[in-house]
Amino acid sequence: GAGVSQSPSNKVTEKGKDVELRCDPISGHTALYWYRQSLGQGLEFLIYFQGNSAPDKSGLPSDRFSAERTGGSVSTLTIQRTQQEDSAVYLCASSGQGPDTQYFGPGTRLTVL
Amino acid sequence: SQQGEEDPQALSIQEGENATMNCSYKTSINNLQWYRQNSGRGLVHLILIRSNEREKHSGRLRVTLDTSKKSSSLLITASRAADTASYFCATGQYNNDMRFGAGTRLTVKP
Repeated sequence: GAGVSQSPSNKVTEKGKDVELRCDPISGHTALYWYRQSLGQGLEFLIYFQGNSAPDKSGLPSDRFSAERTGGSVSTLTIQRTQQEDSAVYLCASSGQGPDTQYFGPGTRLTVL
Repeated sequence: SQQGEEDPQALSIQEGENATMNCSYKTSINNLQWYRQNSGRGLVHLILIRSNEREKHSGRLRVTLDTSKKSSSLLITASRAADTASYFCATGQYNNDMRFGAGTRLTVKP
């Protein structure tokens, strides 16, 4: 595809349920990022994948959050036992190797009731 | 953390006027980037300026970088209603520590 895609675009879940958010980066991009944006706030870095290197998980807010990147392409962000404060827009971005422009997907709006 | 902080938080101008937004950061950087976000969803990259550059232009956008003051400015000339959006700066020394500020909400009134 031409850009970064994310699915679903919207997700409503009940407190305590697990959710999976998907990101398809731009083909050939080695770097992939996950960010979280709460209403009216800036972006909060969550996790970064670069090629086959160990991911930088320093931004994950708790052990309920995890992410995988299979085959160096598609990534899944999993939130276990969701809580209301997890409600936010989750944005994925990808970029080429090295300091470079990040291309963002449209985001997934997560609402935890 | 290398988080950029934008200033002002909100800016309202008339169409045709120029809009200036500022970004300050605290530590040394490799590059600084400006992004635009419409309707709270995906961000669009506007311009990247490296630490050894002082000014960069792209269409109606002009970005300056002053590493001695650890600040950058984004100037949008001859603003249009379609420029209404939130603008974020992102700073980092390496690609995996890019940090975004809270953004400047720009409203351009027709």
